[in-house]
Amino acid sequence: EAQVTQNPRYLITVTGKKLTVTCSQNMNHEYMSWYRQDPGLGLRQIYYSMNVEVTDKGDVPEGYKVSRKEKRNFPLILESPSPNQTSLYFCASSFPPYMERGGLNTQYFGPGTRLTVL
Amino acid sequence: ELKVEQNPLFLSMQEGKNYTIYCNYSTTSDRLYWYRQDPGKSLESLFVLLSNGAVKQEGRLMASLDTKARLSTLHITAAVHDLSATYFCAVDRGSQGNLIFGKGTKLSVKP
Repeated sequence: EAQVTQNPRYLITVTGKKLTVTCSQNMNHEYMSWYRQDPGLGLRQIYYSMNVEVTDKGDVPEGYKVSRKEKRNFPLILESPSPNQTSLYFCASSFPPYMERGGLNTQYFGPGTRLTVL
Repeated sequence: ELKVEQNPLFLSMQEGKNYTIYCNYSTTSDRLYWYRQDPGKSLESLFVLLSNGAVKQEGRLMASLDTKARLSTLHITAAVHDLSATYFCAVDRGSQGNLIFGKGTKLSVKP
């Protein structure tokens, strides 16, 4: 089944304790990205990646790191989490427009990771 | 700076009625997306609109795009309870998966 998976789905942690949220897709997509969703703010992009070893900052990258060593995986790293990073996180993947019929660039979202930082 | 504004942010409808959600964006974009999110769930892609005048329909939902006005609409026809969800529009800043989202419209359809 074509899907984007995230782990863990739920995480409660404490300030300063490094954590990694994994994201994996099995659709051979070039593009991957991370978003956070907060009430009243919609989704905001944290980082995006166009291919292996190619990443760029989104709108709210502060306090986050990413790596793209393999095409299928795009982990999100919080080196020193703080309470303001408590949020719902989504990973997404897609083909580049030129690789999808009609140039659509349809985004596929993972199930989400609910993170609480105490 | 690209901004995306949706309105209304909250919409309470009666079953059987029609309504429209609006999505305005501030600068030129290659594509416009509509997503649906059910409570506690992930985002589901509804439509991707590429060109001026594009119109797509799926069931009771119809999306259109006016690139000159930088406006997309999501029209709901004869609403049913199953359409209750939050709807997001998003625009692509450069065909690289670099999306910016609106704040979402929470739709509640009541009998």
